[in-house]
Amino acid sequence: GDSVTQMEGPVTLSEEAFLTINCTYTATGYPSLFWYVQYPGEGLQLLLKATKADDKGSNKGFEATYRKETTSFHLEKGSVQVSDSAVYFCALSHPYSGGGADGLTFGKGTHLIIQP
Amino acid sequence: GAGVSQTPSNKVTEKGKYVELRCDPISGHTALYWYRQSLGQGPEFLIYFQGTGAADDSGLPNDRFFAVRPEGSVSTLKIQRTERGDSAVYLCASGKEPTDTQYFGPGTRLTVL
Repeated sequence: GDSVTQMEGPVTLSEEAFLTINCTYTATGYPSLFWYVQYPGEGLQLLLKATKADDKGSNKGFEATYRKETTSFHLEKGSVQVSDSAVYFCALSHPYSGGGADGLTFGKGTHLIIQP
Repeated sequence: GAGVSQTPSNKVTEKGKYVELRCDPISGHTALYWYRQSLGQGPEFLIYFQGTGAADDSGLPNDRFFAVRPEGSVSTLKIQRTERGDSAVYLCASGKEPTDTQYFGPGTRLTVL
């Protein structure tokens, strides 16, 4: 079955540091890929997504590129802020194909802590 | 509504009891999903509704778990004979259509004593 593996946390960085959170996946076909973020005390929010190979999703200074050859979707940000402290989840789903859509398959989450 | 809402926000029950968890999706969203998130884990898919029907219930762990969406809007997740291992945060998400972005609610934290 499908699975998502992301780097273990917590990841602790200083403000303005460069961020990479690794994510790799195992799936049949051509899944869509997502990063969700959960800020303290809040619900899961979609951060960015990519629906086909070589697509780049971007939002709030974060970027991730869908790499089919390495089955990866690493999250990057050039200069993190204290407000980026949160738990980040990599996820995948399969587009509706007439046989029914399916739910998201999530990684375990990476807790990011940004220190001033 | 402005977003997906879930009630109650917290539920404490005793082993063996029956519980119901409610989800109000964003108005007009036809797709509705339930997930379960255990401590330190990512959410796990339970069931997906398209309209009133359960299009995929492959994630339900056993027959103690059941969900309904009788009018294609509000959904209720029902757990019979609760066990301590059912303790988790239960998340609901909705989408305009099956391929659309899923918008998550704040979750219901279930604790089974």
